[in-house]
Amino acid sequence: RKEVEQDPGPFNVPEGATVAFNCTYSNSASQSFFWYRQDCRKEPKLLMSVYSSGNEDGRFTAQLNRASQYISLLIRDSKLSDSATYLCVVNPRNSGNTPLVFGKGTRLSVIA
Amino acid sequence: DVKVTQSSRYLVKRTGEKVFLECVQDMDHENMFWYRQDPGLGLRLIYFSYDVKMKEKGDIPEGYSVSREKKERFSLILESASTNQTSMYLCASASTDWHFGDGTRLSIL
Repeated sequence: RKEVEQDPGPFNVPEGATVAFNCTYSNSASQSFFWYRQDCRKEPKLLMSVYSSGNEDGRFTAQLNRASQYISLLIRDSKLSDSATYLCVVNPRNSGNTPLVFGKGTRLSVIA
Repeated sequence: DVKVTQSSRYLVKRTGEKVFLECVQDMDHENMFWYRQDPGLGLRLIYFSYDVKMKEKGDIPEGYSVSREKKERFSLILESASTNQTSMYLCASASTDWHFGDGTRLSIL
């Protein structure tokens, strides 16, 4: 089983739509979780961390279910500028010297 | 502003050449990482280092080596470049936060 698995996409949605991405991880001892955004031919950039209590940042909501080893990202009122690849990322331990483990990413295209 | 700088955005080399990809960070981070990113495969860890002169193999170290002589610099070396090493290479440094370089798009002809 792959360490971090994501919806393969691509997701093509109209502006204003709500879209949800899902991710599962295999290492039950994993400590911290993130969603990264990557634009075409650019480096990944942190979108938001994901906490067990769930967290929201404007139109973006992230949820973590440790029991199911499942992470989600919800984007409400999609904008054209949300078009990008979204990477689910797991840190197996809560330290900076542990490599992050990346999902393959889900591509989102928001269409006018 | 914190910075991870990769020496080249685009690089074209020939099969069999020895290739050096350089990465420099100005945040005094101990931890540095090299990933490669390929369509359909995502980011895969090649090597990482958590201190000067220390190195650890990642998931796909074959055909690569690294050098960390100074804290701020982490070099990835392709000993004898092959066409299957054509890829986007991403360097990162980390303490509590992670920072990525812009990436080097390497083509091996």
